[in-house]
Amino acid sequence: KAGVTQTPRYLIKTRGQQVTLSCSPISGHRSVSWYQQTPGQGLQFLFEYFSETQRNKGNFPGRFSGRQFSNSRSEMNVSTLELGDSALYLCASSGSIQIQGQGRRYFGPGTRLTVT
Amino acid sequence: GESVGLHLPTLSVQEGDNSIINCAYSNSASDYFIWYKQESGKGPQFIIDIRSNMDKRQGQRVTVLLNKTVKHLSLQIAATQPGDSAVYFCAEMISYGGSQGNLIFGKGTKLSVKP
Repeated sequence: KAGVTQTPRYLIKTRGQQVTLSCSPISGHRSVSWYQQTPGQGLQFLFEYFSETQRNKGNFPGRFSGRQFSNSRSEMNVSTLELGDSALYLCASSGSIQIQGQGRRYFGPGTRLTVT
Repeated sequence: GESVGLHLPTLSVQEGDNSIINCAYSNSASDYFIWYKQESGKGPQFIIDIRSNMDKRQGQRVTVLLNKTVKHLSLQIAATQPGDSAVYFCAEMISYGGSQGNLIFGKGTKLSVKP
């Protein structure tokens, strides 16, 4: 079974621009969550989607948004980029957030975003 | 790699020895815990998980121990190999009536295996 895929793998943007990152979950998985990883803050939860609905949201400003499509693929968008948004953005998929014991998130390789 | 923080705790072990990585979690209401391994340039890789109604769970060469009294989690790796060198993260989660909350990650521990 193919793993979680993320595109692009690397991205360089300028302050003020916006960016869209894409994630394709493991086939059959309906839940997708996004995390930001930085050396200073570690792994921080952004949001989680299940069946096209946002189920949980972390403590990030409204510049960070996401969506999920009917095929479970997900995108996240960051508008008005700031230098501090430079990070590794990780996507994880899981089978179901409605079933006990299905908490295993399987991560993709991440998108390395650099804001200059 | 990009996953390593500036002040990550580091554990250095000899190849073949056993490793123990510790983690203190934050919320006494957390009822699900996961250990991940992250190698340089890669996303976190699932190792093992445990629910709060258990205090020990074993996998292949790995054991997770949970002490809810002191909110402590540990990962034991038997016969550590050079390929085990990575950053290890624990994560906790609170289930809400059958649904699941988000994973809260610890800061990570860097494991370095000396051949």
